[in-house]
Amino acid sequence: DQQVKQNSPSLSVQEGRISILNCDYTNSMFDYFLWYKKYPAEGPTFLISISSIKDKNEDGRFTVFLNKSAKHLSLHIVPSQPGDSAVYFCAASVRDGTASKLTFGTGTRLQVTL
Amino acid sequence: EPEVTQTPSHQVTQMGQEVILRCVPISNHLYFYWYRQILGQKVEFLVSFYNNEISEKSEIFDDQFSVERPDGSNFTLKIRSTKLEDSAMYFCASSILLAGVGDTQYFGPGTRLTVL
Repeated sequence: DQQVKQNSPSLSVQEGRISILNCDYTNSMFDYFLWYKKYPAEGPTFLISISSIKDKNEDGRFTVFLNKSAKHLSLHIVPSQPGDSAVYFCAASVRDGTASKLTFGTGTRLQVTL
Repeated sequence: EPEVTQTPSHQVTQMGQEVILRCVPISNHLYFYWYRQILGQKVEFLVSFYNNEISEKSEIFDDQFSVERPDGSNFTLKIRSTKLEDSAMYFCASSILLAGVGDTQYFGPGTRLTVL
């Protein structure tokens, strides 16, 4: 089941630069997308979300872009900070008015270097 | 800030034994979930729960698994007879579904289950 894919297992970015994490999906029914950050031995921490009626959502240093025609979303972090070093998961769901399961990607490990 | 809590943080059990993993969701949330992550793999959905009944379950959630909300605050996952392949991190999550906004799920820190 590869409905949500993160093709880059790792990414290294210098402090202060932009980090761009990518995610592709195949299920056209997905209409709500989320990014989570995860440190080792901790649970996923919610970062930012976007619904399919938008193509961009910003929250501080984090911006998520959604391209529905390409079934692609990306998370931009600018400027990147050393504390951003973690594994980032993209997740998607189908909103049907009930509790909707999240389908996760495999994650991208971001390392922000000094 | 309210958060989801889970106990224990680490559970070691013998194959065939029953385990109960406990979670306290965020207090005003109405929807509860269990996910798991086998080492090196993606986070996988197990089950969702609302209004004292299962809303949806995955293929993984077979007859060996059950969930319960025994009181107003706890949400538990029981594995009746553990198998080696049940070794994983188990995450509880909760959400408050906001119409027209979405279902942002907040996760607990996880319980690491090791089956020997």
